[in-house]
Amino acid sequence: AQRVTQPEKLLSVFKGAPVELKCNYSYSGSPELFWYVQYSRQRLQLLLRHISRESIKGFTADLNKGETSFHLKKPFAQEEDSAMYYCALQGGGADGLTFGKGTHLIIQP
Amino acid sequence: GAGVSQSPRYKVAKRGQDVALRCDPISGHVSLFWYQQALGQGPEFLTYFQNEAQLDKSGLPSDRFFAERPEGSVSTLKIQRTQQEDSAVYLCASSLGASGGSYNEQFFGPGTRLTVL
Repeated sequence: AQRVTQPEKLLSVFKGAPVELKCNYSYSGSPELFWYVQYSRQRLQLLLRHISRESIKGFTADLNKGETSFHLKKPFAQEEDSAMYYCALQGGGADGLTFGKGTHLIIQP
Repeated sequence: GAGVSQSPRYKVAKRGQDVALRCDPISGHVSLFWYQQALGQGPEFLTYFQNEAQLDKSGLPSDRFFAERPEGSVSTLKIQRTQQEDSAVYLCASSLGASGGSYNEQFFGPGTRLTVL
């Protein structure tokens, strides 16, 4: 069975500090990994996906198959980054996404 | 253009009542997904449609849950004889292409918050 683990329920950092949101997954094949974000009173939206290897809003995430991790990083946090972040996996021909429980990121001024 | 819409946004039901939740996907999107998100949890996959065909219903928690998309556009998730454990936010998402393992970005609706008393 596939599983996504986000060990931190809440992460609070100061503006300008580096941010790392952890994500570990369990899957026997080659998964596709994503980060979704939900800002206050907004709907869930895609932030980035590992296959595109892009940086969105200063965030990057590298898939580490050896450690089965897909941590989300940003070198300098901004107040507008405060949101709920969900790591998600799609694999094995399954059509739906498997989400982690989410990390609430709070950026303090 | 308009994104995915869901109605109602909030629903309160007494235990044992039947409820119907509606999803209007983005026009032209082939794939439609339903997820259930309990308080403090991430969304959990319920079911998937490709046009009008329900190709995956492995996530439906019981036979009280039923989903349909008869014309390949609007979808309805029906829950019969609601229980307190059904209280959650129900999310609908749509994507442009057919799924089947290949990635297509899923666009989410605002969700319907169901509270069963």
